[in-house]
Amino acid sequence: EPEVTQTPSHQVTQMGQEVILRCVPISNHLYFYWYRQILGQKVEFLVSFYNNEISEKSEIFDDQFSVERPDGSNFTLKIRSTKLEDSAMYFCASSGSFGTGSNEQFFGPGTRLTVL
Amino acid sequence: GNSVTQMEGPVTLSEEAFLTINCTYTATGYPSLFWYVQYPGEGLQLLLKATKADDKGSNKGFEATYRKETTSFHLEKGSVQVSDSAVYFCAFLNSGGSNYKLTFGKGTLLTVNP
Repeated sequence: EPEVTQTPSHQVTQMGQEVILRCVPISNHLYFYWYRQILGQKVEFLVSFYNNEISEKSEIFDDQFSVERPDGSNFTLKIRSTKLEDSAMYFCASSGSFGTGSNEQFFGPGTRLTVL
Repeated sequence: GNSVTQMEGPVTLSEEAFLTINCTYTATGYPSLFWYVQYPGEGLQLLLKATKADDKGSNKGFEATYRKETTSFHLEKGSVQVSDSAVYFCAFLNSGGSNYKLTFGKGTLLTVNP
């Protein structure tokens, strides 16, 4: 069964460093998402991406964040200068098509980011 | 604004007990409703969904009914198992328009003891 994969599973970095979180969505999906979950809190939407551009982003997704689909299979989230409060579990998701409420978003296992 | 309120945890039950996790939502339009489950050390998995009023989603013995009049989507299971121990998230997705993001509740940790 196709699945979303994410690497690394755990990333430890120093404050101020750049990190890139990687995701391989399900191969025939067209829509990609990043969510994050700060420990003990709810899962929060960061950004959605379609046709090589951002479709929607939350207020969390400021200028320190960027997303890219560098090739036909990877989808990356970059944080330019990490802050302590960026420590969280980051989930990638993908779905087949937009706009209908019945679409299922398939989630990866997450990358735990720890900023020291 | 749009939000999901679900029962605070943790919830601890004995095997074969009845489970209810309450979930209510505030959303514009006619959202689709979901329950996601997160087993220890794993990512989010879709447990069940309902896309319109009065629909009942079901999977693995879990059920939830889309109640538009009470804006609720409570999760139930008649007889829980140890393997059901996980965190359960209620979520909705607005249909149409430009809002395609899932909005999640805070999650409810369920522990089932043998």
